[in-house]
Amino acid sequence: NAGVTQTPKFRILKIGQSMTLQCTQDMNHNYMYWYRQDPGMGLKLIYYSVGAGITDKGEVPNGYNVSRSTTEDFPLRLELAAPSQTSVYFCASSTPGLVENIQYFGAGTRLSVL
Amino acid sequence: AQSVTQLGSHVSVSEGALVLLRCNYSSSVPPYLFWYVQYPNQGLQLLLKYTSAATLVKGINGFEAEFKKSETSFHLTKPSAHMSDAAEYFCAVTPGNTPLVFGKGTRLSVIA
Repeated sequence: NAGVTQTPKFRILKIGQSMTLQCTQDMNHNYMYWYRQDPGMGLKLIYYSVGAGITDKGEVPNGYNVSRSTTEDFPLRLELAAPSQTSVYFCASSTPGLVENIQYFGAGTRLSVL
Repeated sequence: AQSVTQLGSHVSVSEGALVLLRCNYSSSVPPYLFWYVQYPNQGLQLLLKYTSAATLVKGINGFEAEFKKSETSFHLTKPSAHMSDAAEYFCAVTPGNTPLVFGKGTRLSVIA
């Protein structure tokens, strides 16, 4: 079982460049999430989606964009990369029918902006 | 609004000693609580969850946690630490079908 798959695993960007972090899940989960993890700060929610065509901002959405055209895919777009976006990014998915809302995580994308 | 406080960003224990990682939560409604573990260079894995069934919850790898409403706590314990338990541990809370709110994490080191 693949679960949640993120690509790429590592990336180095120059300031001002753009890129898309890919996330796909094969569990037919309606809910998907993007988090960033910085040392000592835990995980902060960037954006989330409750289904295809529906997205909402999390705690730290500035500088990012998302789209959700299919149930499986939830890409995260960085338009003008800045050093403050150097971080590890995690995608997750969950099933809203289960009240517990257990989230399943991908392995992460480590991004450096120089 | 929900929030989580993990006391101690780094905990160090000897192999075979008790592991205690502290988590206190704030929630305006009955919460669902989780502990996740993150091994180096990996994503987060669910360790255990509290969903209002039993207050003492058993998880994987010998870990357990007890929900104490009066103390708003959900501390994680393991009777005997193993070297393979070295990782970062995150406590998280949600009122239901909304995104989890995570604590800042506690790094556990196990000394031989």
